[in-house]
Amino acid sequence: EAGVAQSPRYKIIEKRQSVAFWCNPISGHATLYWYQQILGQGPKLLIQFQNNGVVDDSQLPKDRFSAERLKGVDSTLKIQPAKLEDSAVYLCASSPTRGREWQYFGPGTRLTVL
Amino acid sequence: QKEVEQNSGPLSVPEGAIASLNCTYSDRGSQSFFWYRQYSGKSPELIMFIYSNGDKEDGRFTAQLNKASQYVSLLIRDSQPSDSATYLCAVETSGSRLTFGEGTQLTVNP
Repeated sequence: EAGVAQSPRYKIIEKRQSVAFWCNPISGHATLYWYQQILGQGPKLLIQFQNNGVVDDSQLPKDRFSAERLKGVDSTLKIQPAKLEDSAVYLCASSPTRGREWQYFGPGTRLTVL
Repeated sequence: QKEVEQNSGPLSVPEGAIASLNCTYSDRGSQSFFWYRQYSGKSPELIMFIYSNGDKEDGRFTAQLNKASQYVSLLIRDSQPSDSATYLCAVETSGSRLTFGEGTQLTVNP
């Protein structure tokens, strides 16, 4: 079974630039999550999708971050414009049900904002 | 007060010893608790979950939950150098969101 795929793996941008991350969940997984993990901290949920609907985006900085999940499969997370404090690893995860126990994480995208 | 707090590390134990990792949480309504392991530069992987008070054992790992004390722990018996990683406690908090602690870095010395 293929795991959660993410791209790119690394990205370096200047502040105020835009960036987009892509995630393809495990086949058949209805729930998709985007997390932000700052160095030395635990992952923080940014947004959760159930199929192509948003379940929780309460911690998403909506003035600069946006996410979509078209057709209930893959998803993109965008930051526009980026700030220095956005430097982090962006993790995508998926699970087959709304429950949390089988949440599989992708390899992450490491973003550096200069 | 942080929603999920873990004992400050780093924690260092000799090979073969028991490693004890602790976590407290603030939301009394939390029902589900998870331990993830994260190797340096890698993504988290689920190693244990527990819902009921008491102990849950899986191989060398034992998760312990005490809801009255709002405390969950992970014991690793016969620690191996390959157990060296950061261990993340995660709690399902209000709104069914998974909230992670900051992690405890464990080093097992050969």
